[in-house]
Parts: sequence; structure tokens; C-alpha cells
Amino acid sequence: GIQVEQSPPDLILQEGANSTLRCNFSDSVNNLQWFHQNPWGQLINLFYIPSGTKQNGRLSATTVATERYSLLYISSSQTTDSGVYFCAVEYTNAGKSTFGDGTTLTVKP
Amino acid sequence: EPEVTQTPSHQVTQMGQEVILRCVPISNHLYFYWYRQILGQKVEFLVSFYNNEISEKSEIFDDQFSVERPDGSNFTLKIRSTKLEDSAMYFCARGTSGSSRPYEQYFGPGTRLTVT
Repeated sequence: GIQVEQSPPDLILQEGANSTLRCNFSDSVNNLQWFHQNPWGQLINLFYIPSGTKQNGRLSATTVATERYSLLYISSSQTTDSGVYFCAVEYTNAGKSTFGDGTTLTVKP
Repeated sequence: EPEVTQTPSHQVTQMGQEVILRCVPISNHLYFYWYRQILGQKVEFLVSFYNNEISEKSEIFDDQFSVERPDGSNFTLKIRSTKLEDSAMYFCARGTSGSSRPYEQYFGPGTRLTVT
């Protein structure tokens, strides 16, 4: 099956700092999504981004499908950004999404 | 688009018992998925369900598990003869309607299953 690797595994930031999270995948994919799992365990859909660049407020994401990686940028981080960020890819044409291990982000005030 | 709701939010059961977890779509979706997340670990795919049929299942989804949509609305995951290692958060997700964003998934709040 496909391998999904996220880096770094842990990230600690001071409020207001910027960060870049990376997701590498081992094969061609139909779909790539970024999720934020908040401290209550909810999985919040951030981006649907099989290719290209998208922006939503302080967050933006870029996927370079030909090179099999995606980046999530968080600017001017806030304490509410804390949680685990997951990358998930779909490659089977049956909706099976494979998640990475996640990046745990802690933003300190 | 809204996500799905899941019931119960927390289920405690004894080892060997059967549990049924429910997923209630807000509107009429065709694509549904079940995932699980053992505490502190990553999210794992269990099964995808399209138009009232299983379209794919993982190696985790063995004979102990089954899914159905009995009344055309609720989508259920049944776990028979539960084991301690079945303790996890179980997420239902629904796919988007239309073909412009295939396999985009929106997750429900999850059911925390605790097997004692």
C-alpha cells in the first residue's frame, strides 16, 4: 500500500510564529486532504488539495503531485492552532484514505 | 456542506458483547466511510460504502465487523464479540455529492468505544 510520511512529528511554536508542515507520499494519488484534529478529537477538514495551491485565511497549502509531496503553511500562529495535523491521501478510486502519523503542533502564548 | 452526526458519543461495553455505532447523515449522501483511531495513534481506514454496497475494506475489517444502511438513512457499524483492542475512537465520514471533488471526506465527531 501507499506510504504517507509527515514531518516534523512535533512542533512547538511561540504565538505569532510561522510554520511549514510536510507530507510525502509514495505513489500517485487521486485526492489529498489536510485535517486538523483539535484537543477534543474532532477532525476538521482544512484543505482538499490533490494539486496546486490554496489559501484560507492564515493557512495555505501546496501539493506538487509530480514530486509526491504537500506542504501546509500556518502563518501568525495562535494558541487555537494547537492540535494534530494530518495529511490523508486517496489512491484506490474507492474512497480509502490513508493517513500519515500526523504533526503535533503546540502554540505557546 | 454539513458533516454527519454520530451516536452514541461514548460507548462502554464488556468484552465479548456486540455494539452498534450509528452515523446519521444530515442530507442524502451516497458515500460513507468508517475509520478508527486508537488513542494516540493515526487514523485507520476500515471500510467505504457506496450506494448501499461495500466498495473497499481494509485488513482490519474482518468478519467481526459489518456495515449496513438498514433504513436508507442511518449508516451503522456493528462490532461482534468485542475485544479489548477494539477500544478506539470510531469516525464516520461522508463523501461530497457530485463529481467535482471526488473522495473529499467530512468527518463526524466520533464515538469513543471503551471495551472493559
